[in-house]
Amino acid sequence: GESVGLHLPTLSVQEGDNSIINCAYSNSASDYFIWYKQESGKGPQFIIDIRSNMDKRQGQRVTVLLNKTVKHLSLQIAATQPGDSAVYFCAESLSGGYQKVTFGTGTKLQVIP
Amino acid sequence: DSGVTQTPKHLITATGQRVTLRCSPRSGDLSVYWYQQSLDQGLQFLIQYYNGEERAKGNILERFSAQQFPDLHSELNLSSLELGDSALYFCASSVGASALLYNEQFFGPGTRLTVL
Repeated sequence: GESVGLHLPTLSVQEGDNSIINCAYSNSASDYFIWYKQESGKGPQFIIDIRSNMDKRQGQRVTVLLNKTVKHLSLQIAATQPGDSAVYFCAESLSGGYQKVTFGTGTKLQVIP
Repeated sequence: DSGVTQTPKHLITATGQRVTLRCSPRSGDLSVYWYQQSLDQGLQFLIQYYNGEERAKGNILERFSAQQFPDLHSELNLSSLELGDSALYFCASSVGASALLYNEQFFGPGTRLTVL
């Protein structure tokens, strides 16, 4: 498949452990944030989002934390599975609109069986 | 499978050439978006079409153009290619013109363009 981010930071996690992926965003005025998962050979896939009026949001096995003070986002994946192996990147948006979204470069998550 | 299809999967060409990338949106989706993802770079929004009309423009070079046809498929034309145009090009689609929820946007598998 297509290789994405050959030189990205890599996080290696044992299967069953929790994963924490971090992201620093750039614009303090950004009001909407998204996490994407990109598997090899596939396009980005929406995982979870959070608005700036929240500091935590939970989905199925995933939690996003937002710290606006230090412009930091994190994605927590519980009980990491081999199928979670992918590149994860965050995106920030100012007042919506696809042309106003800034995407990060991502972190490669490697799950060790 | 997102339901968005892109062809070709890989494309290798030379500098100065022109190529066309094709995208078919999910059934029922009226918006098509094009993105460029260079090696170790974040996605860059290029352009959006909604129901045949250009809706929004991002960081798209003048050498690049796109269109959306009556059957809603879209083509991205890249001309006078340079080495720096080598990248993954993604198409995405959504039902609406300006979905505010990004879980409504679905990406295709991409076309890997290599300019030699």
